[in-house]
Amino acid sequence: DTAVSQTPKYLVTQMGNDKSIKCEQNLGHDTMYWYKQDSKKFLKIMFSYNNKELIINETVPNRFSPKSPDKAHLNLHINSLELGDSAVYFCASSLSGGADETQYFGPGTRLLVL
Amino acid sequence: LAKTTQPISMDSYEGQEVNITCSHNNIATNDYITWYQQFPSQGPRFIIQGYKTKVTNEVASLFIPADRKSSTLSLPRVSLSDTAVYYCLVGDSLTGANNLFFGTGTRLTVIP
Repeated sequence: DTAVSQTPKYLVTQMGNDKSIKCEQNLGHDTMYWYKQDSKKFLKIMFSYNNKELIINETVPNRFSPKSPDKAHLNLHINSLELGDSAVYFCASSLSGGADETQYFGPGTRLLVL
Repeated sequence: LAKTTQPISMDSYEGQEVNITCSHNNIATNDYITWYQQFPSQGPRFIIQGYKTKVTNEVASLFIPADRKSSTLSLPRVSLSDTAVYYCLVGDSLTGANNLFFGTGTRLTVIP
């Protein structure tokens, strides 16, 4: 069983479109994350979320919004896509959100904005 | 959270031991040191974590000197499949993981 799964694996779309990436974890973790890895391979956290709190990295545009229908899912919605949004997006989860906990990453979604 | 500094890249021949050192001069008393490995086209995965001295598992060893201002990930007898990016992070249980800094890691290339 895949611990953290994401769909789609690849996403090619036009500028200005709105798209969503889904993430599910079956580990029973309380905290989920979204990361962005750009062409220079920097891995930057965008959001962390548990059932109590959403923490947003201040550099993330408000066109990006996480939605969590339940504890096992954290979907990423992106409005008005821009060329600079092209990157690989990783979902991850950990037990309760501490910085010393192991994070389990999904396989990534490769987004290309044309 | 303490920032970490690692070499950007390293090359090694198959069968050699590889040591990747990470500097974390501002590490706090309660911080743990964690290493992740990322293969091309995959998400990072946990390798090893330690607090002090030495930790060993089936994949790697982690050496942490007494002052804890640095740590060294040791990969014994690397193979081509160890080609990956290795990230060093420090953090404690009270600080949220949203503050973790992955950076660019160390890109290890294993040569036949």
